[in-house]
Amino acid sequence: DGGITQSPKYLFRKEGQNVTLSCEQNLNHDAMYWYRQDPGQGLRLIYYSQIVNDFQKGDIAEGYSVSREKKESFPLTVTSAQKNPTAFYLCASSINGDRGRNTEAFFGQGTRLTVV
Amino acid sequence: AQKITQTQPGMFVQEKEAVTLDCTYDTSDQSYGLFWYKQPSSGEMIFLIYQGSYDEQNATEGRYSLNFQKARKSANLVISASQLGDSAMYFCAMREVGAGGSYIPTFGRGTSLIVHP
Repeated sequence: DGGITQSPKYLFRKEGQNVTLSCEQNLNHDAMYWYRQDPGQGLRLIYYSQIVNDFQKGDIAEGYSVSREKKESFPLTVTSAQKNPTAFYLCASSINGDRGRNTEAFFGQGTRLTVV
Repeated sequence: AQKITQTQPGMFVQEKEAVTLDCTYDTSDQSYGLFWYKQPSSGEMIFLIYQGSYDEQNATEGRYSLNFQKARKSANLVISASQLGDSAMYFCAMREVGAGGSYIPTFGRGTSLIVHP
């Protein structure tokens, strides 16, 4: 079955450590996205990529980094520079294109990161 | 500036009744797409319904329908015959142009819906 897989589901990190969240999709989508979700804040865009080897900063990119070496994979690294990393992180993918039907985003199950 | 506004942080509805979740948006584009997603307590995001700006009919998908008023820039989600399993967060979203002309899904802050038996 096609879909998006995020791992791990729960992640604990000590302050000052970098940590990488995995996101893999087999939907053959060109576009991939990372969102951060905090209570009452909705989904805020961290980074997005429309094509392999290219990505763009979203609204809250500071303290995060990404790579897009393969179409299927879009890992997110939360660096020690991120001041408040405890949050729920969602990865999504979609076809490229503008705003038509079938451009909805497909989401992974999410990773809940806690800094201890 | 917030592009998607959901003014209802929380809503309550009796089982089997209908409920409307509000969404207004801001865009200068003439052609755009609007989406609604459901997020149960498990955290997954489930796509519910899509409305294109040039669609003449309001979108419907089973018990979900969209009350689309283009001039008012509103796209309210109507859930008919509410069920206990409808209790979840609901997000309104729009694809908008980002850097380099690419289209990015942008989300509102969500509405928490609780269905009472």
